[in-house]
Amino acid sequence: DADVTQTPRNRITKTGKRIMLECSQTKGHDRMYWYRQDPGLGLRLIYYSFDVKDINKGEISDGYSVSRQAQAKFSLSLESAIPNQTALYFCATQRGARTDTQYFGPGTRLTVL
Amino acid sequence: AQSVTQLDSQVPVFEEAPVELRCNYSSSVSVYLFWYVQYPNQGLQLLLKYLSGSTLVKGINGFEAEFNKSQTSFHLRKPSVHISDTAEYFCAVSLTGGGNKLTFGTGTQLKVEL
Repeated sequence: DADVTQTPRNRITKTGKRIMLECSQTKGHDRMYWYRQDPGLGLRLIYYSFDVKDINKGEISDGYSVSRQAQAKFSLSLESAIPNQTALYFCATQRGARTDTQYFGPGTRLTVL
Repeated sequence: AQSVTQLDSQVPVFEEAPVELRCNYSSSVSVYLFWYVQYPNQGLQLLLKYLSGSTLVKGINGFEAEFNKSQTSFHLRKPSVHISDTAEYFCAVSLTGGGNKLTFGTGTQLKVEL
């Protein structure tokens, strides 16, 4: 079984809808991240969490919110989706130091019509 | 703030030829450097990382990278590529002190042709 899983893998939604992307990990890592990937822009950090009680905004947090329900679960929500949030979203985990490897999930492809 | 530049968005190369993917970074303080690879329809996985010590870093799948502080570069190389190396490659940087953000470059698509 994969160490970092994301659901759903693909989602098509309409403008104005609320949507939640979920990430679960079995690696026992404390740190979790949400990124979005856009062609030609690389990966940009949306939110990150160092433990259940520590959540931080990344460089592009506007329009997004997160919830760290447990050490193993980190969800990303779009309260009112808009077309320019169409992107590939990745969750990643990391043990406990900035030198540790980040492990990525398979991604969620989100399309907002 | 740190930044990463990958000047080549696409690099076509024939199988068994050598390849170099370029990465330059900008930071006023010391950094850690990483290369990640993304195979089609998959998440990213670590190829190699430079934390300290020897400036030549060896990674998985025969890749290596050299940290050059004076040129603020961390170019990725492989002496002989295989079709299976076709993927997108991302250079990333984080600061050694203060801040925890991993900043990614825009990626280089390596296409290996027969």
